[in-house]
Amino acid sequence: KAGVTQTPRYLIKTRGQQVTLSCSPISGHRSVSWYQQTPGQGLQFLFEYFSETQRNKGNFPGRFSGRQFSNSRSEMNVSTLELGDSALYLCASSLKTGFSLSGNTIYFGEGSWLTVV
Amino acid sequence: TQLLEQSPQFLSIQEGENLTVYCNSSSVFSSLQWYRQEPGEGPVLLVTVVTGGEVKKLKRLTFQFGDARKDSSLHITAAQPGDTGLYLCAGALETGGNMLTFGGGTRLMVKP
Repeated sequence: KAGVTQTPRYLIKTRGQQVTLSCSPISGHRSVSWYQQTPGQGLQFLFEYFSETQRNKGNFPGRFSGRQFSNSRSEMNVSTLELGDSALYLCASSLKTGFSLSGNTIYFGEGSWLTVV
Repeated sequence: TQLLEQSPQFLSIQEGENLTVYCNSSSVFSSLQWYRQEPGEGPVLLVTVVTGGEVKKLKRLTFQFGDARKDSSLHITAAQPGDTGLYLCAGALETGGNMLTFGGGTRLMVKP
């Protein structure tokens, strides 16, 4: 079956602009999470959506926002871009939310590379 | 804020050697996962451990979760060039949904 699809794969934006990244989860998956990966900070959690509701939010400024649609597809938006927002943005999907003895596997997409100049 | 300290950051070894990667925290996690990430790709789950003291084996890879669920280790026996990549540990809290706290990663290079 198709994996997690993220678009666009690469993009370059100018400081002050905004950007929208899209994520299509694996069919049937209801949870979508977003992460930012940078060489300095590593992988950091942005937010998780489950059934169109934001379930968790990481420690990022309000310029970072997201949403999930009824078909589980998700978008994240970054407004007023700063140079430090240059990163690989990863989307991950799973059937359910939470880790327990019954198990839960998160599948990551290949990411969207954002460069802010 | 939960933090996961991963060590070493970089490891360059010869094919056939053994290695261990450590993941430590002062926080208790309900589960801990290990991922491997190749350049240009997203992380791929290797294993999830949920019980303190749990040991899981995946071919030449052995994963252990500490008794107190604050630390974990990944041991690779007889490393091969195909094991080269970025290894990441990630912890989850019981009430944290799918929010994962990642360690800084260990970049492993296995030379033939």
